[in-house]
This record gives sequence, structure tokens and C-alpha cells, in this order.
Amino acid sequence: GIQVEQSPPDLILQEGANSTLRCNFSDSVNNLQWFHQNPWGQLINLFYIPSGTKQNGRLSATTVATERYSLLYISSSQTTDSGVYFCAVIKAAGNKLTFGGGTRVLVKP
Amino acid sequence: DTAVSQTPKYLVTQMGNDKSIKCEQNLGHDTMYWYKQDSKKFLKIMFSYNNKELIINETVPNRFSPKSPDKAHLNLHINSLELGDSAVYFCASSRGSIPYEQYFGPGTRLTVT
Repeated sequence: GIQVEQSPPDLILQEGANSTLRCNFSDSVNNLQWFHQNPWGQLINLFYIPSGTKQNGRLSATTVATERYSLLYISSSQTTDSGVYFCAVIKAAGNKLTFGGGTRVLVKP
Repeated sequence: DTAVSQTPKYLVTQMGNDKSIKCEQNLGHDTMYWYKQDSKKFLKIMFSYNNKELIINETVPNRFSPKSPDKAHLNLHINSLELGDSAVYFCASSRGSIPYEQYFGPGTRLTVT
């Protein structure tokens, strides 16, 4: 099956800092999503981004499908950004959403 | 106006019992899923239904049986619960079965004692 690797596994930020999270995948994909799992366990959709660049407020994401990676940018981080960020993909011609191991982010005030 | 809802939110039960988790979506989606998140936060798909037809059935013990009475509902029944079944179970839905964005419910935390 497809492999999805996220880095770094853990990230501690001071409030106001910027950061970049990376997702590498081992095969061509036709679906890539970024999620934020908040401290209450909810999985919140951030981006549906199989290719290209999108922005939503302080968050933006870029997927370079030909090079098999995606980046999630967090700017001016806030304590509410704390939680686990997951990247998930569906392999081209596949039908299963495969998750990476997540990046645990802690934003300190 | 909750998009994907699950009940119950928490479930504590003893080994050997049978329990069900219910999921409903009001997004008009055709495809619904069950995922399991283990204690290390790893998420993995268990089942998927498209218009009430099973399309994904991962290597899950046959004690787990999904049931889809209509395309807006997908329930998960678990027989003879074991300690290792303790996890958070997420329901999700999407407009179609393959490349479309998936939306997740709030999760059901199952604890087997």
C-alpha cells in the first residue's frame, strides 16, 4: 500500500511563530487532505488539496504531486492551533484514505 | 445542523458484551466510512459503503459488522468485545467513493474493561 510520512513528529512553537509541516507519500495520489485533530479529539478538515496551493486565513497548503509531497504552513501561530495535524491520501486508482502518523503541535503562550 | 453525527460519544463496557455505534450524515453524500484511531493516534479505515453497498472491508475481525439501512446511516456493531477494541471510532462521509473530500464525525470513544 501507499506510505505516508509526516515530519516533524512533534513541534513546539511559541505563540506568534510560523511553521511548516511536511507530508511525503510514496505513490501518485488523487486525493490529499489535511486535518487538524483538536485537543477534544475532533477531526477538522483544513484542506482538500490533491495538487496546487490553497490558503485559508493563517493556514496555507501546497501539494507538489509530481514530487509526492505536501506542505502545510501555519503563520502567526495561536494556542488554539495546538493539536495533531494529519495528512491523508488516496492512491491514484485506489479507494482508501491512508493517514500519516501526524505531527503533534504545541503552541505555548 | 451537524453534518456527520455519531452516538454515543462515549461507551464503556465489559469484555464479552455486544455494542453498537450509530452514524448519520445530513450532507446528502453517497459514501460512508468507519475508521479506528488507536491509542497512538494512528487512524485506519475499517469499512466503506457506497449507496448501501460494501466497497471496502479491511482486515477487520468478523466480530465487527457494519450495517447501512440507507445511504444516510452507517452503523457499526461489535460482538464479543475485547480489551484491544478500545479505541476511538470515527464515522465519515463523502460525495463519492474515490477522490472526494471526506468529512468526519466527532468520534466515539470505546473503552472495554
